[in-house]
Amino acid sequence: EPEVTQTPSHQVTQMGQEVILRCVPISNHLYFYWYRQILGQKVEFLVSFYNNEISEKSEIFDDQFSVERPDGSNFTLKIRSTKLEDSAMYFCASTSAETYEQYFGPGTRLTVT
Amino acid sequence: RKEVEQDPGPFNVPEGATVAFNCTYSNSASQSFFWYRQDCRKEPKLLMSVYSSGNEDGRFTAQLNRASQYISLLIRDSKLSDSATYLCVGSSGSARQLTFGSGTQLTVLP
Repeated sequence: EPEVTQTPSHQVTQMGQEVILRCVPISNHLYFYWYRQILGQKVEFLVSFYNNEISEKSEIFDDQFSVERPDGSNFTLKIRSTKLEDSAMYFCASTSAETYEQYFGPGTRLTVT
Repeated sequence: RKEVEQDPGPFNVPEGATVAFNCTYSNSASQSFFWYRQDCRKEPKLLMSVYSSGNEDGRFTAQLNRASQYISLLIRDSKLSDSATYLCVGSSGSARQLTFGSGTQLTVLP
């Protein structure tokens, strides 16, 4: 069964450093998303990406964040200058246009020290 | 303002019990609804989509009432492996982004 994959599973970084989180969505899916979940809190939408551009973003997704689909398979989330409050699980998700059922990757746990 | 609201639980039930979860939503523009389950420190896994006509998948039945803005999930004959957090989720917006509830924690006891 096809699945969304994410790397790395855990990333530790120092405040102010740049991080890139990577995702490989399900191959025939067209819509891609990033969500985050701070420990003990609910899952929150960050950004959606379709047809090589951002289609929606939340107020969390400020100028420190960017997304890219550098090739036909990878989908990345970059945080330019990490803050302590960026520590969270970051989930990538993808969906086809038929069902809009989103399938999530296993997540990257980001720890900012 | 909570867009999707759930009773956080915890629900502790014996194996074989029937348990029901409820959820309300405030965004009447929400287009689709889902139940996901999430195990500790894992990703949300899609359990089922929710339709106004109601839908059933094995021991799981979901129902949507758009007039009351209310969603339910019924689990029959609960198993130990059903222990998880159940997330009520709505989708809205042009990109169908998901809005998650805080989840209801279920523990099925032997």
